[in-house]
Amino acid sequence: AQRVTQPEKLLSVFKGAPVELKCNYSYSGSPELFWYVQYSRQRLQLLLRHISRESIKGFTADLNKGETSFHLKKPFAQEEDSAMYYCAPPEGYSGAGSYQLTFGKGTKLSVIP
Amino acid sequence: KAGVTQTPRYLIKTRGQQVTLSCSPISGHRSVSWYQQTPGQGLQFLFEYFSETQRNKGNFPGRFSGRQFSNSRSEMNVSTLELGDSALYLCASSLRQGSSYNEQFFGPGTRLTVL
Repeated sequence: AQRVTQPEKLLSVFKGAPVELKCNYSYSGSPELFWYVQYSRQRLQLLLRHISRESIKGFTADLNKGETSFHLKKPFAQEEDSAMYYCAPPEGYSGAGSYQLTFGKGTKLSVIP
Repeated sequence: KAGVTQTPRYLIKTRGQQVTLSCSPISGHRSVSWYQQTPGQGLQFLFEYFSETQRNKGNFPGRFSGRQFSNSRSEMNVSTLELGDSALYLCASSLRQGSSYNEQFFGPGTRLTVL
């Protein structure tokens, strides 16, 4: 079965410091990878997806197939970045042309003013 | 555009009872997925429905079931509730089938407490 590892449950950084949220997955050849974010009292929402190669709110994520990692990075953390972050690579083919998302357990990012 | 709505928002049940949760997707979205969120396990995929058919199923017992109606609204049912079923149940909709390719839009969740 697919394994998604977000090794840090909690990550605290100072405002203006670089931040890296780690994500490792066991599935190889994944067609797509996502990072979702949940701000306090808000719904879970898409932050960015690998295939679009966009930078959202200053965040980028690099897919490293050799290390099977999809770490989320931002050069300068802001207080409003404090939230719960979930990495989500696909589980794997499950028939009917469909894959299912497997979310990591999440990393809570706390940006200290 | 109205977002994904879930009813009820909070629910308290006792062991052995059954419960039905409802989800209305974003207008035009045909795929609905359900997730269970707990502090210990994080977000776990339950199942996905597309065009009234279950397309994908996670690793949950048969007590967890669902269905989708012709208007894409979906319901999730849990029978013979156990204490461990206490969780936040999230519904997500997307335009197309296959949660791995398509952005999921999440609802606010239904908080189920089993006493």
